[in-house]
Amino acid sequence: GENVEQHPSTLSVQEGDSAVIKCTYSDSASNYFPWYKQELGKGPQLIIDIRSNVGEKKDQRIAVTLNKTAKHFSLHITETQPEDSAVYFCAKGNNDMRFGAGTRLTVKP
Amino acid sequence: GAGVSQSPRYKVAKRGQDVALRCDPISGHVSLFWYQQALGQGPEFLTYFQNEAQLDKSGLPSDRFFAERPEGSVSTLKIQRTQQEDSAVYLCASSPGGGLGETQYFGPGTRLLVL
Repeated sequence: GENVEQHPSTLSVQEGDSAVIKCTYSDSASNYFPWYKQELGKGPQLIIDIRSNVGEKKDQRIAVTLNKTAKHFSLHITETQPEDSAVYFCAKGNNDMRFGAGTRLTVKP
Repeated sequence: GAGVSQSPRYKVAKRGQDVALRCDPISGHVSLFWYQQALGQGPEFLTYFQNEAQLDKSGLPSDRFFAERPEGSVSTLKIQRTQQEDSAVYLCASSPGGGLGETQYFGPGTRLLVL
């Protein structure tokens, strides 16, 4: 599988604001797009995922949108809290998952 | 229930030494994955097992890297003649079935430092 481009690499927001992270890819074969949150010293934890037959999915303060035609997908976090501070990774693929380089999100209280 | 566990959590090796990293997947999970995560980067796929069968090893960086899962549960990633560029966090993940696009559950990783 081919790589995933992720932007921005760092993001700082004020508590209560929204945060948006975007990823683009180039191949057409991927049907599964998860987002992971990684805290220091821990493994990545799945926070939300979306499959190619769905354009948007929401889980409380977190939402993901997918545009398969344009080959990009985005993570939206609303009403950010300090505990949202972590590194977020987008990924695509099936068994040979390809990850973006990560976005370090800092939420300032 | 118990998640994916990995041991050791930290390993320091001298250049040229062999190391073995262990992964205990979630009980009953069919698929097991190994990833390498360099500092400040996303995880990079190394290899994938379905039960005891290694179905994809395209990500292994050299023939010094070898992975096995002989009984379809615990897996070991072995690195022979370690080099400084092997320093990274090695992550293991498992998923319930062998289907495509399943959620992968990650362990905490083993941080390897090669001096």
